[in-house]
Amino acid sequence: RKEVEQDPGPFNVPEGATVAFNCTYSNSASQSFFWYRQDCRKEPKLLMSVYSSGNEDGRFTAQLNRASQYISLLIRDSKLSDSATYLCVVITNTGKLIFGQGTTLQVKP
Amino acid sequence: DADVTQTPRNRITKTGKRIMLECSQTKGHDRMYWYRQDPGLGLQLIYYSFDVKDINKGEISDGYSVSRQAQAKFSLSLESAIPNQTALYFCATSDSGSERGTGELFFGEGSRLTVL
Repeated sequence: RKEVEQDPGPFNVPEGATVAFNCTYSNSASQSFFWYRQDCRKEPKLLMSVYSSGNEDGRFTAQLNRASQYISLLIRDSKLSDSATYLCVVITNTGKLIFGQGTTLQVKP
Repeated sequence: DADVTQTPRNRITKTGKRIMLECSQTKGHDRMYWYRQDPGLGLQLIYYSFDVKDINKGEISDGYSVSRQAQAKFSLSLESAIPNQTALYFCATSDSGSERGTGELFFGEGSRLTVL
């Protein structure tokens, strides 16, 4: 079993739709969690951190469920510019950063 | 100028050749990482270093070696390149993730390596 798993998709949604991705992790002692966005052939960039209490940034909401060991990313009112690959990142209790394989989102007109 | 700089950005080489990918950063971070990315596999950790004297193997270190020449420099070597090492390689840095910072990763723009 991979330490961090994501559904690779692709998720094809129309503009304006709400879409959600999950990411599961196996190490229950993991400490920090992030969502990164990666555009085609570009480097990943931080989208948002994931806090225990959940956090929201505009149309994006990230949540952490420690009991079930997953994090989620919700995108409301999808835009064409949201098309990208979304990577979850988990930092373990030993300080190692582990990436999920990414979930590809394609927003269509 | 970019905070994390990788050279070369693109390289085509032949099987058996020695290749070095270099990474330098101006963020003052202690932690540096090398990842490779293959289509459908996401980012896989090759090596990471928490300071100049601390180097650790990642998930896929076989066939690779690294050198942390200074806090700001972390190079990745392929001693004898083989075709399945064809990939996009990323260097990244982060702070300690403690109360001093968030542990956010900052990536270079990537080095695309093709081994023929």
